[in-house]
Amino acid sequence: SQQGEEDPQALSIQEGENATMNCSYKTSINNLQWYRQNSGRGLVHLILIRSNEREKHSGRLRVTLDTSKKSSSLLITASRAADTASYFCATDVIQGAQKLVFGQGTRLTINP
Amino acid sequence: DTAVSQTPKYLVTQMGNDKSIKCEQNLGHDTMYWYKQDSKKFLKIMFSYNNKELIINETVPNRFSPKSPDKAHLNLHINSLELGDSAVYFCASSRIGQTNTEAFFGQGTRLTVV
Repeated sequence: SQQGEEDPQALSIQEGENATMNCSYKTSINNLQWYRQNSGRGLVHLILIRSNEREKHSGRLRVTLDTSKKSSSLLITASRAADTASYFCATDVIQGAQKLVFGQGTRLTINP
Repeated sequence: DTAVSQTPKYLVTQMGNDKSIKCEQNLGHDTMYWYKQDSKKFLKIMFSYNNKELIINETVPNRFSPKSPDKAHLNLHINSLELGDSAVYFCASSRIGQTNTEAFFGQGTRLTVV
């Protein structure tokens, strides 16, 4: 079974609103990362949060991590049309080698 | 300058054929990966090479054979292509020597087997 599962699978909001996506995972991790994928393109790294961190900010992005619940959330504030993309969480599992395990992603649509 | 580049971007081929996808990174990373993204957008690691040595080999049919001639290249050869191999294949790289490091992805190769 897959490690990361994003929720919701799809999210549609108005421009200017905040978007929140959640991710749950199953095993111990080194860190958790969020990536964005625009349609037909590769994945772009957004932010990384270490297993000993609880919250991290980068511009309009805010990530939280709750290792006791094995969950993370990504908040995008003041959304823009250009934020329309799929967002994936990836857990870097502790296995002696870096191995990113991805969920299925959340498809975010920002309506103008 | 493209950090991780894959060729070709699109590949349409018939069942039973053998094909290769090439990947190169100019980031000086020591680890490279192949990921497969299926039609439901689920992204799964296939292989990982560190300094030309295979370190991760997921449950992938042995028709798939990665080859790493040097640290900057990781090619994927697929024999006897099947319809179920149709997917988008992504190459990625990272610096495994550092903990907590991000991966850089290529733009993907959309493989369609007909």
